[in-house]
Amino acid sequence: NAGVMQNPRHLVRRRGQEARLRCSPMKGHSHVYWYRQLPEEGLKFMVYLQKENIIDESGMPKERFSAEFPKEGPSILRIQQVVRGDSAAYFCASSRGAGGMTEAFFGQGTRLTVV
Amino acid sequence: QQQVKQSPQSLIVQKGGISIINCAYENTAFDYFPWYQQFPGKGPALLIAIRPDVSEKKEGRFTISFNKSAKQFSLHIMDSQPGDSATYFCAASKTGTASKLTFGTGTRLQVTL
Repeated sequence: NAGVMQNPRHLVRRRGQEARLRCSPMKGHSHVYWYRQLPEEGLKFMVYLQKENIIDESGMPKERFSAEFPKEGPSILRIQQVVRGDSAAYFCASSRGAGGMTEAFFGQGTRLTVV
Repeated sequence: QQQVKQSPQSLIVQKGGISIINCAYENTAFDYFPWYQQFPGKGPALLIAIRPDVSEKKEGRFTISFNKSAKQFSLHIMDSQPGDSATYFCAASKTGTASKLTFGTGTRLQVTL
């Protein structure tokens, strides 16, 4: 039973380019969450998605960032026109349900470097 | 506004000692408090979690102590081992918001021989 799969593991983009981060949740999980971790900081919630729906995007910057979780395929976090401040580790987590005690399993993250 | 405050930022403990990490929260709606362990280059992994209807939960060498009135909770690692060297994050969430977790800033634990 594979865990949460994120790719790529490392991504380098020049300022102004687009970054696409992919996340395949664990088998049987239909809830996906994206978090961002800046160096030496904790993880910050960005967005919560279920299949084809954005449930909570309160942590997502209003501009340049978007997320989707289509009926088929992985969840995608897209960052347009990247800037140096977007350099961070982006983690995806998935869970089976939505209750407060439902465990969230994290992927190994995508480390984005903007040069 | 930081809703979960974690201390200390870093901790050095000798092998066999007790590691203690503390967290305090502000939002009384939080009702799920997990601790995550993260090794360099890896994603966070759930270590142990507690709900506020109990004051303590123990799993092996790891214990969470919870003080609802003080809005504080702590992680105790007994008989600390070098393999425990990692960054530990406390977190909190509200029922109904799934696993939308609010994380502390992390504690880097180093267990020396």
